[in-house]
Amino acid sequence: DAKTTQPTSMDCAEGRAANLPCNHSTISGNEYVYWYRQIHSQGPQYIIHGLKNNETNEMASLIITEDRKSSTLILPHATLRDTAVYYCIVRVKTGTASKLTFGTGTRLQVTL
Amino acid sequence: NAGVTQTPKFRILKIGQSMTLQCTQDMNHNYMYWYRQDPGMGLKLIYYSVGAGITDKGEVPNGYNVSRSTTEDFPLRLELAAPSQTSVYFCATQSTGNGNQPQHFGDGTRLSIL
Repeated sequence: DAKTTQPTSMDCAEGRAANLPCNHSTISGNEYVYWYRQIHSQGPQYIIHGLKNNETNEMASLIITEDRKSSTLILPHATLRDTAVYYCIVRVKTGTASKLTFGTGTRLQVTL
Repeated sequence: NAGVTQTPKFRILKIGQSMTLQCTQDMNHNYMYWYRQDPGMGLKLIYYSVGAGITDKGEVPNGYNVSRSTTEDFPLRLELAAPSQTSVYFCATQSTGNGNQPQHFGDGTRLSIL
C-alpha cells in the first residue's frame, strides 16, 4: 500500500493561506490522492481528491507534483473553523472496494 | 438531508455484553464501511459491504460481525464486548468502489467498555 507522510502539526494565521504538504513516494499510477479533515469529535469530512492534475473546489486547492510523489493542500484563506486534523490518503483497493488508510495526519491550528 | 446517520452517539457497555451499532444512509450508495478510531490514531477498517447481501473483512474484523440486508442499513454487532473495543466507530458510504468517488462519513458512535 502506498504510504503517506505528513508533518505532525502546523500553525496558520487567520486569513492567510494554509499549505499542508504530503509525501506519497510509493504511489501507483492509478491511485488517487484524497484529503479529509476531522474537526474534534466529528466524522472525517471529505475535502478534495486528484489523480494527476491540480484540482480546486469551494473548500480548497490540491497541487500534485508532476512525478506524483507529493502533494499540497491549500486552504486559501484559513479561518478559525479550519482548525482540525488533516489527513492525506492514497486510495487503495481492498478486494472489490477501496479502503482509506488513515495515518495520524497534520494538526492545523489557525490562530488570530 | 440526513446523509449517513449513526446511532447511538454514545454508549457504555460492561465486559461481555453485546450490542449493535446502527448505520443508515439515504444516498442509495452501494458501498458501506465500518471504521474504528482509537485515541490519537487514524481510522482502521473493520468490515465493508459492496451491496446488499455482500460483506467482507477489513483490517481488524475480530470481535465484530456485520450484515447487509438492505442498501440503506449496515449494522455492526459486538457479541462479547472487551475493553480493547473501546473506541469511536465511524460508518461511511460510497456510491461505487471506483477510486474516483469519495467516502462520506457519519458522526460516529463513542463506545466505552468497562
